[in-house]
Amino acid sequence: LAKTTQPISMDSYEGQEVNITCSHNNIATNDYITWYQQFPSQGPRFIIQGYKTKVTNEVASLFIPADRKSSTLSLPRVSLSDTAVYYCLVGDGSGAGSYQLTFGKGTKLSVIP
Amino acid sequence: DSGVTQTPKHLITATGQRVTLRCSPRSGDLSVYWYQQSLDQGLQFLIQYYNGEERAKGNILERFSAQQFPDLHSELNLSSLELGDSALYFCASSARRGVSNTGELFFGEGSRLTVL
Repeated sequence: LAKTTQPISMDSYEGQEVNITCSHNNIATNDYITWYQQFPSQGPRFIIQGYKTKVTNEVASLFIPADRKSSTLSLPRVSLSDTAVYYCLVGDGSGAGSYQLTFGKGTKLSVIP
Repeated sequence: DSGVTQTPKHLITATGQRVTLRCSPRSGDLSVYWYQQSLDQGLQFLIQYYNGEERAKGNILERFSAQQFPDLHSELNLSSLELGDSALYFCASSARRGVSNTGELFFGEGSRLTVL
């Protein structure tokens, strides 16, 4: 079962770029890396997913090194509304068609005015 | 709106009681996942169903059970409730059996259970 390790919390000022790194040393060959955002009392919401190198969408970028043992979520120019918990998720592809999606503790990002 | 519907939104009950939480996945999604989120435990995976069959089991207690019906909606049954079962219970759905390479899970707004 792939496990992830993220910083518990981070603070950032508005307008800054925020990078959140996730370690996943036991990632399997078929696993993808997915990041979710969660606001209080709401369900998590998909941000971005990648397999290797770099992926970018309208809200974030995801950097994955060649060994895939870690990944970095980059949020450009954060605003107060980006204050949330961010989860790194690694699909546990067992090869038997059964997947468990393990959320770690997440990183609580606090954006300061 | 994720398209995943959970009922009830809030539920207050007493210890020892039994409750049922219901989830309707997004139209066409075959996989349903249940998660428990309490203040000190984070988001814990409980169980996954795919097209009516159990596919994966996580940290689900023996007092809890779930099923997915032919119309693809799912129910999570919690019995002999304890104070520690108070939590937010989320349901999520996805199109395929697993989401390692398929994109995303779509989460409902959750059912908040309070056990007194």
